[in-house]
Amino acid sequence: GIQVEQSPPDLILQEGANSTLRCNFSDSVNNLQWFHQNPWGQLINLFYIPSGTKQNGRLSATTVATERYSLLYISSSQTTDSGVYFCAVEMWNTDKLIFGTGTRLQVFP
Amino acid sequence: GAGVSQSPSNKVTEKGKDVELRCDPISGHTALYWYRQSLGQGLEFLIYFQGNSAPDKSGLPSDRFSAERTGGSVSTLTIQRTQQEDSAVYLCASSLGGEETQYFGPGTRLLVL
Repeated sequence: GIQVEQSPPDLILQEGANSTLRCNFSDSVNNLQWFHQNPWGQLINLFYIPSGTKQNGRLSATTVATERYSLLYISSSQTTDSGVYFCAVEMWNTDKLIFGTGTRLQVFP
Repeated sequence: GAGVSQSPSNKVTEKGKDVELRCDPISGHTALYWYRQSLGQGLEFLIYFQGNSAPDKSGLPSDRFSAERTGGSVSTLTIQRTQQEDSAVYLCASSLGGEETQYFGPGTRLLVL
């Protein structure tokens, strides 16, 4: 089956720093979503981004479907950005999400 | 508007007992999904509903697991004869349809003693 790998697995930042999280997938996909899982376990939608670039405040994401990767950029990080970031892909002719391994982000003041 | 809700928030049960987990999707969402998050396995798909039918049950780990959806709305995930390895967070999501953004509920934390 498809493999979804995220890097780095862990990231520690000081408040104000910028970071880039990467998601690689091993097969072509129909859809890709980025989520933030907060310390209470809630999965929060960040982006629905099968291709192209989107921005929402301090966050932006780019998916290059032909090269099978997506990037999530976090600028001017805040302590509230802490948690685990997941990418999840949906293959053609399926409706289920296959989740990556996650990146655990800790932002310290 | 209200998001996806799940109940109970936490459930502790004894090995061998049956449990029922409930999911209320976002109003108007025709697609509903169950996932499971455990330490060893990450986030895994269990089952997908479109309306009241389940075209994809491929993620259910054994025949002890079943799910139903009634009235195109509420869904119940039932685990019979629970085992310790069933301990996990069970997450429900809904979307307007297939291939649309999925929105997740807060989850039910199940602990089997």
